[in-house]
Amino acid sequence: DGGITQSPKYLFRKEGQNVTLSCEQNLNHDAMYWYRQDPGQGLRLIYYSQIVNDFQKGDIAEGYSVSREKKESFPLTVTSAQKNPTAFYLCASSPPSGLTYNEQFFGPGTRLTVL
Amino acid sequence: AQSVSQHNHHVILSEAASLELGCNYSYGGTVNLFWYVQYPGQHLQLLLKYFSGDPLVKGIKGFEAEFIKSKFSFNLRKPSVQWSDTAEYFCAVSGFGNEKLTFGTGTRLTIIP
Repeated sequence: DGGITQSPKYLFRKEGQNVTLSCEQNLNHDAMYWYRQDPGQGLRLIYYSQIVNDFQKGDIAEGYSVSREKKESFPLTVTSAQKNPTAFYLCASSPPSGLTYNEQFFGPGTRLTVL
Repeated sequence: AQSVSQHNHHVILSEAASLELGCNYSYGGTVNLFWYVQYPGQHLQLLLKYFSGDPLVKGIKGFEAEFIKSKFSFNLRKPSVQWSDTAEYFCAVSGFGNEKLTFGTGTRLTIIP
């Protein structure tokens, strides 16, 4: 089955630790995205990548880092510099915009709790 | 910069009632518009989308939305809701040629049996 996988589903970390969230897709999509979802705030873009080895900051990139070494993978690291890391994190991907006009496909999400 | 407003934060309806969720966007050029739905415990999934052509678009599960360019709106409608429509609904916009989506804050819909 084609899709986006995120692991783990739930993640607990101590304050001050870096943590990396996994996102893998087998849809052969070029673009990948990371969002943060908080109650009452919708989805806010953290980072996105349109091609391998290239990525751009979104609206709330501070305290986060990413890499895009492979087309299929776009891991997100939540660093200790992120002041309020507890949230639900969603990964998405999309094919070239000429095909679907920017429709994005989402993974199941990872709920991160920092204790 | 593009932005999206969803003014209804939480809507509670009885089954068989009609639904309209508001969505207004701000963007100076041609837009692509989307409604996504997040059922409890499930992935965010596409409900419907507008790119061009007929401003009334139909999506899955009996939902439709109308793009009114003069009002910068893309409201979601359903004539008769069901208990299974209980979910959170997100409106999103992207500018033509821009791959970034901007989401609204979402509307939580609760349907009472």
